[in-house]
Amino acid sequence: AQSVTQLDSQVPVFEEAPVELRCNYSSSVSVYLFWYVQYPNQGLQLLLKYLSGSTLVESINGFEAEFNKSQTSFHLRKPSVHISDTAEYFCAVRKAAGNKLTFGGGTRVLVKP
Amino acid sequence: DAGVIQSPRHEVTEMGQEVTLRCKPISGHDYLFWYRQTMMRGLELLIYFNNNVPIDDSGMPEDRFSAKMPNASFSTLKIQPSEPRDSAVYFCASSLGAGQSKNIQYFGAGTRLSVL
Repeated sequence: AQSVTQLDSQVPVFEEAPVELRCNYSSSVSVYLFWYVQYPNQGLQLLLKYLSGSTLVESINGFEAEFNKSQTSFHLRKPSVHISDTAEYFCAVRKAAGNKLTFGGGTRVLVKP
Repeated sequence: DAGVIQSPRHEVTEMGQEVTLRCKPISGHDYLFWYRQTMMRGLELLIYFNNNVPIDDSGMPEDRFSAKMPNASFSTLKIQPSEPRDSAVYFCASSLGAGQSKNIQYFGAGTRLSVL
């Protein structure tokens, strides 16, 4: 079975500062990796994904994540955050041959002016 | 496309009552998933369907919970009788199908259930 650990439950950060959200996973088989974002009182939206190819993946709003197989990590970064990035971020894994997503506990990002 | 549509958005009920949550997946999607989100347990997969057939219901907490998918455009999650510990946000998600890029899950806005 897969498991996902998000080490930080909350990350306060000032506007225009960088942020990194940590995600580590465990799995005995090949996996695909995802970051979802949940804005207040909304559902989850896919932010970015790693399926294959380049280990560095980017979203349209400036986030990036790097798949590191040796460290079993998929950390999410943004060099300069905006107030609108205030949300909860979930890391998730799925077996390459499967359908079920396993989510981490989430990291709540609060961007302060 | 309108995305995954869930109803109601909020539901408040009393302990012992039956609760039915509804989901309309994205048109053409073959997979449908029901999740529950709580502070204590985070996001948990309850059950998922493929082509209207339940594939894995190992996450359904107990017999009080049941889910159906009578056709490709509609699914229900029913709790009978409801209990206060069922209070949570319930999400529905759908995906296009098997295959690397097709199997991306898209989530609805969720139903916030409060059982008093």
